[in-house]
Amino acid sequence: DQQVKQNSPSLSVQEGRISILNCDYTNSMFDYFLWYKKYPAEGPTFLISISSIKDKNEDGRFTVFLNKSAKHLSLHIVPSQPGDSAVYFCAANTGNQFYFGTGTSLTVIP
Amino acid sequence: DAGVIQSPRHEVTEMGQEVTLRCKPISGHNSLFWYRQTMMRGLELLIYFNNNVPIDDSGMPEDRFSAKMPNASFSTLKIQPSEPRDSAVYFCASSPQFGDTEAFFGQGTRLTVV
Repeated sequence: DQQVKQNSPSLSVQEGRISILNCDYTNSMFDYFLWYKKYPAEGPTFLISISSIKDKNEDGRFTVFLNKSAKHLSLHIVPSQPGDSAVYFCAANTGNQFYFGTGTSLTVIP
Repeated sequence: DAGVIQSPRHEVTEMGQEVTLRCKPISGHNSLFWYRQTMMRGLELLIYFNNNVPIDDSGMPEDRFSAKMPNASFSTLKIQPSEPRDSAVYFCASSPQFGDTEAFFGQGTRLTVV
């Protein structure tokens, strides 16, 4: 059973525009949420995270929003750059375990 | 720091053969995770260790899969016998402390079973 879901397998955005990647979860016990970025033939690398006690965390061009009532989080990338093209995994953490979504492949078109 | 090191990077084997994947976590990290990535299910947690002790192996798909961590700097994931449906990328990750909120991933081993 997928506790973390990314329902959009792919997304294409024009360079300079905003990219919005979405993620839904089912377990209200998750206390930390993370986004990972993965290039082909490489392992996922940590991008940004948010604690369940917050609703927004910003780091440069990347902002993560958390809506606990809807069990939904999103990653905003503004402005999008061609180098952002990668697969983005949403993950949730509860104590000892990480649960990952299936990933969204982002393509930023120059 | 060299990061999490996995070997081999690619493995092609015939159905029925034994396959062993290896992982060296970041020095000083106490927790180690094995993940499998497939197109259908994304990243799945197979098993994780804390201080070399397996804590939860409920993600291991079948008895054909086994994992060991004989010491703090080495872990193996073994598949015996391998089957074509085991073909995937297997990632190892480590984190500094049990329950830490971030994990550092290796580059993965791409396994193809023909």
